[in-house]
Amino acid sequence: DAKTTQPNSMESNEEEPVHLPCNHSTISGTDYIHWYRQLPSQGPEYVIHGLTSNVNNRMASLAIAEDRKSSTLILHRATLRDAAVYYCIPYGGSQGNLIFGKGTKLSVKP
Amino acid sequence: DAGVIQSPRHEVTEMGQEVTLRCKPISGHNSLFWYRQTMMRGLELLIYFNNNVPIDDSGMPEDRFSAKMPNASFSTLKIQPSEPRDSAVYFCASSHTGGGYGYTFGSGTRLTVV
Repeated sequence: DAKTTQPNSMESNEEEPVHLPCNHSTISGTDYIHWYRQLPSQGPEYVIHGLTSNVNNRMASLAIAEDRKSSTLILHRATLRDAAVYYCIPYGGSQGNLIFGKGTKLSVKP
Repeated sequence: DAGVIQSPRHEVTEMGQEVTLRCKPISGHNSLFWYRQTMMRGLELLIYFNNNVPIDDSGMPEDRFSAKMPNASFSTLKIQPSEPRDSAVYFCASSHTGGGYGYTFGSGTRLTVV
């Protein structure tokens, strides 16, 4: 299984950008990089995924290193609603299903 | 789209009783997953189905746990007999098959066994 390393926690100020890092140095060449988040008392929520190129959607941007050993989830303007645990998960090629680690707990200050 | 629907939202039962959790996946999704979340162990994959067939049940903790998917629109997770250590939030998720697709999770069932 590809191992991931994320900071246990991060803090951000409201309306400022947030960069959430993830190291996945043992990722398989066929694994996508998925990001999910879990708000308090809710189920996990899909955020974004990518394979090699950077990706943007309405929720966030995903920047993938050229060697694919790391990636960064970017929230362009954090809101209080973005306070959650964020999970980075390699998935799809060698890993047949989503395996959740501990993730990064993001706190957003008003 | 109503999303993944789980029932009940909350269940309180006595030790030794049978508990059945239900899940309706998103129409058209051919993979279904059952997860359990506790403070101590985080989110754990229990079992997943592809095209209604169980593919990997290695995460099912004991023989007391069983899961079925009789058709593409319904799955159950049963615990018989239940024990206090089974208390957790149980999530169901569905997706198209493959790494290029994201999972959609339900709101979960909070199970308390007293």
